[in-house]
Amino acid sequence: KAGVTQTPRYLIKTRGQQVTLSCSPISGHRSVSWYQQTPGQGLQFLFEYFSETQRNKGNFPGRFSGRQFSNSRSEMNVSTLELGDSALYLCASSIPSGNTDTQYFGPGTRLTVL
Amino acid sequence: AQTVTQSQPEMSVQEAETVTLSCTYDTSESDYYLFWYKQPPSRQMILVIRQEAYKQQNATENRFSVNFQKAAKSFSLKISDSQLGDAAMYFCAYRKGGSEKLVFGKGTKLTVNP
Repeated sequence: KAGVTQTPRYLIKTRGQQVTLSCSPISGHRSVSWYQQTPGQGLQFLFEYFSETQRNKGNFPGRFSGRQFSNSRSEMNVSTLELGDSALYLCASSIPSGNTDTQYFGPGTRLTVL
Repeated sequence: AQTVTQSQPEMSVQEAETVTLSCTYDTSESDYYLFWYKQPPSRQMILVIRQEAYKQQNATENRFSVNFQKAAKSFSLKISDSQLGDAAMYFCAYRKGGSEKLVFGKGTKLTVNP
């Protein structure tokens, strides 16, 4: 079974631009979560989608948004990029099946904002 | 809010020896799950081991085992017979029951010396 895939793997943008990242979960997984990983702040939860609905949201500004499609693929969008948005963005998918599920991570998208 | 603390930013171990990574957490919830994830350099985050809070027995996965002290809110990872491939960042994570959101510690960088 194919793992979680994320595209693109690397991105370079300039301040003020916007960016869209994509995540395809493992087949059969319906929950997708997004995390931002930086050296200073570590891994921080952005949001989680299940059945096309945002179920949980982390403490990030409104410039960070996401959505999920009917095939469970998810996208996250960052508008008006700032230098501090440079990070590794990870997505994770799970079934979920009550409390017994495990989250599987993708390889991440490395975003650099110049 | 739940917090996860890893007090050892870096650890090193000789190949074939045993090392223990520490993790403490803070929560008022009774239903939760604890995880150790491994992130090798420039590679994908993978699950090492998980522990359900309601289980008294410590989880084990081959050379990996945990020491779960619920009252002390401590969740350490023991790696036995360390191998060069164990070198990675190790993250302790917490998840509340019924939620997909993971709360991560800052991580411990493990070096394995030949």
